[in-house]
Amino acid sequence: GAVVSQHPSWVICKSGTSVKIECRSLDFQATTMFWYRQFPKQSLMLMATSNEGSKATYEQGVEKDKFLINHASLTLSTLTVTSAHPEDSSFYICSAILNYGYTFGSGTRLTVV
Amino acid sequence: KNEVEQSPQNLTAQEGEFITINCSYSVGISALHWLQQHPGGGIVSLFMLSSGKKKHGRLIATINIQEKHSSLHITASHPRDSAVYICAVNGNEKLTFGTGTRLTIIP
Repeated sequence: GAVVSQHPSWVICKSGTSVKIECRSLDFQATTMFWYRQFPKQSLMLMATSNEGSKATYEQGVEKDKFLINHASLTLSTLTVTSAHPEDSSFYICSAILNYGYTFGSGTRLTVV
Repeated sequence: KNEVEQSPQNLTAQEGEFITINCSYSVGISALHWLQQHPGGGIVSLFMLSSGKKKHGRLIATINIQEKHSSLHITASHPRDSAVYICAVNGNEKLTFGTGTRLTIIP
């Protein structure tokens, strides 16, 4: 069935490096994808909304130059954490609208050391 | 005050017990979602509600739009139901999430 495939599921990187997270919609086209961040024992927070072929819309307080979002095709959206810092360590998850509901990726646990 | 409040935050129950998780919200919504998040982090959408009641297997979700309240019920609970259950409300195509209820079912 239609799902969102998210990779990698976990990643450890050094401070100062960049990390790219991919979300692919399988068996459906996602014109819009949502990127969330979740800190331990906290709720998911929307970071940005990516729209195919146009610039992403970022939520207040989210640095667009630090969290680069690209939605170049109807099946792929990417989030790149640039110049990663330990406080960027978090759980990142994407979702897409499907049949008036939402389908979620499996998430990426990022640890910056 | 959070726009979406869930209770309880944590719930431990014996296998077979009837479980109720509550969600209250303070904003106008077009729909309410119940999500299940397993220890690995992946999220599964359980229900989307705009009115009334929905049932899927042992899960039942209800919503009262006037009272801005929803409940998720699990009948004949099982250890595999152990997870974090998250209530999320839809406003302007954006989801606002509750902090979740951590459910543990003991065999």
